[in-house]
Amino acid sequence: DQQVKQNSPSLSVQEGRISILNCDYTNSMFDYFLWYKKYPAEGPTFLISISSIKDKNEDGRFTVFLNKSAKHLSLHIVPSQPGDSAVYFCAPNSGNTPLVFGKGTRLSVIA
Amino acid sequence: DTGVSQNPRHKITKRGQNVTFRCDPISEHNRLYWYRQTLGQGPEFLTYFQNEAQLEKSRLLSDRFSAERPKGSFSTLEIQRTEQGDSAMYLCASSYERGPPYGYTFGSGTRLTVV
Repeated sequence: DQQVKQNSPSLSVQEGRISILNCDYTNSMFDYFLWYKKYPAEGPTFLISISSIKDKNEDGRFTVFLNKSAKHLSLHIVPSQPGDSAVYFCAPNSGNTPLVFGKGTRLSVIA
Repeated sequence: DTGVSQNPRHKITKRGQNVTFRCDPISEHNRLYWYRQTLGQGPEFLTYFQNEAQLEKSRLLSDRFSAERPKGSFSTLEIQRTEQGDSAMYLCASSYERGPPYGYTFGSGTRLTVV
């Protein structure tokens, strides 16, 4: 069963506009939610995270929103830049258990 | 520290052969994870170690797969009698025992192609 769903396999956005990537989860025990970014031929790199006790975390151009009642989180990137073009993975965590990854969303930022 | 290092970067092998991959984690990290990623999928958890103890193995890890971390430093992942379905990117990551909120540091992976 898929505990983490990223329903949009791809997303194209104009440079300077907002990119919104979504993630839904089923396990109510998740207490940390991480976003990873992956470029081709590289391993995933940590981008931003949010604790389940918060509903928003912001780091520069990146903001993650968490709606626990809906079991939904989203990553906002504004303004989007061509260097943001990558695959983004949502990865929740429960306690000390290994991260569970979604299938990812491929973001293309068009100049 | 140069991060998590994985070798080789690429491996092409014939079906039925055995292969072994190596992962050198960040030295201060006591946890080491192996994930597998196939096309269009996110990384799927295989197994992880805390120091030299293997604490969890996924159901994905068939008996043809074995992982070791003999001295709590580097780790090896061996696949015996490879099958075409084993073709994937094998990712290694390391972390402190209390990983989040900064998560894992991943290596660049070993891409395995079974022909």
